Amino acid sequence: KAGVTQTPRYLIKTRGQQVTLSCSPISGHRSVSWYQQTPGQGLQFLFEYFSETQRNKGNFPGRFSGRQFSNSRSEMNVSTLELGDSALYLCASSLGKGGSYEQYFGPGTRLTVT
Amino acid sequence: GNSVTQMEGPVTLSEEAFLTINCTYTATGYPSLFWYVQYPGEGLQLLLKATKADDKGSNKGFEATYRKETTSFHLEKGSVQVSDSAVYFCALSSPDSSYKLIFGSGTRLLVRP
Repeated sequence: KAGVTQTPRYLIKTRGQQVTLSCSPISGHRSVSWYQQTPGQGLQFLFEYFSETQRNKGNFPGRFSGRQFSNSRSEMNVSTLELGDSALYLCASSLGKGGSYEQYFGPGTRLTVT
Repeated sequence: GNSVTQMEGPVTLSEEAFLTINCTYTATGYPSLFWYVQYPGEGLQLLLKATKADDKGSNKGFEATYRKETTSFHLEKGSVQVSDSAVYFCALSSPDSSYKLIFGSGTRLLVRP
């Protein structure tokens, strides 16, 4: 079974631009979560989608948004990029919600904002 | 709120040494606990998990026991290899935080031959 895939793997953008990242979950997984990883803040939860509905959102500004499609693929969008948005963005998928459901991570998208 | 505290790294060991990485947590209720590993340039891989008190998670020679009385989930391995060099993250998932993963700051392990 294929793992979680994320595209693109690397991205360089300029301040003020916007960016869209894509995540394809493991086949059959309906929950997709996004995390931001930076050296200073570590791993922080962005949001979670299940069956096309956002179920949970982390403490990030409204510039960060996401969506999920009927095939469970998810996208996240960051508008008006700032230098501090440079990070590794990780997507994770799971069968459902709950502590017993394991989250499987993709390789991440490395975003650099210049 | 819920949180996870890990020992500071880096941890440097010689091959075949014993490894312990400390992890303690703060949470209401009964969280599930996880250890993830991140190799250079890669995403996170689930190493092991435990979902209730006194459970022992194990995988690839790594073990961790869910200790509710000490709110701890320390990672151990009896004999590390150079290939174990990576960053290790302790994490929890709890219903009162909507099951999002809350991570510790990570501990870098470097194993020398």
